Amino acid sequence: NAGVTQTPKFQVLKTGQSMTLQCAQDMNHEYMSWYRQDPGMGLRLIHYSVGAGITDQGEVPNGYNVSRSTTEDFPLRLLSAAPSQTSVYFCASSYPDRVGTEAFFGQGTRLTVV
Amino acid sequence: LAKTTQPISMDSYEGQEVNITCSHNNIATNDYITWYQQFPSQGPRFIIQGYKTKVTNEVASLFIPADRKSSTLSLPRVSLSDTAVYYCLVGQEAGTALIFGKGTTLSVSS
Repeated sequence: NAGVTQTPKFQVLKTGQSMTLQCAQDMNHEYMSWYRQDPGMGLRLIHYSVGAGITDQGEVPNGYNVSRSTTEDFPLRLLSAAPSQTSVYFCASSYPDRVGTEAFFGQGTRLTVV
Repeated sequence: LAKTTQPISMDSYEGQEVNITCSHNNIATNDYITWYQQFPSQGPRFIIQGYKTKVTNEVASLFIPADRKSSTLSLPRVSLSDTAVYYCLVGQEAGTALIFGKGTTLSVSS
């Protein structure tokens, strides 16, 4: 049981490039989310999804796109990378069997935009 | 979602009990209180969750007074490996759309 898998673990982009951060979970969780964490800060919500075909914006959605075509995958796309998007990105998933349940996080993708 | 306030940092020694208090004055009736732990270069990990009174698991205890305007995470007999950032979250979202604050950085020394 792999849990939440994020790829790649590290990435360096040039300003203006685009890329997709991958997130996959094998726990059949309906809920998935993307967060970014800047140095010394807590996690900030970028986008989230409550099921296949349903996505919504979080606190800091600008510059990012998401889609949810399957239950397992929730990719995060950077349309035109900017230095301000240098951060560590975490994907999480959870199962909505009741309110207040726990989220499972991936190991993160460390992105540097130069 | 209710805003939370917790100390920025705490220091402790191995073997001591550590209590981290979180204030959440605007907690709603349906909100749960959840604590996560994060080690450097890792994603957060669920520790404990509660609604009222006391919850205990193999890792920690969570104390919630009757008015639910605060909660206390208790870590018994900490070790060096408990050095981490601890986040208090309040809300009814089922594990998604979580709102994190800056957390409490716990440093455990020998």
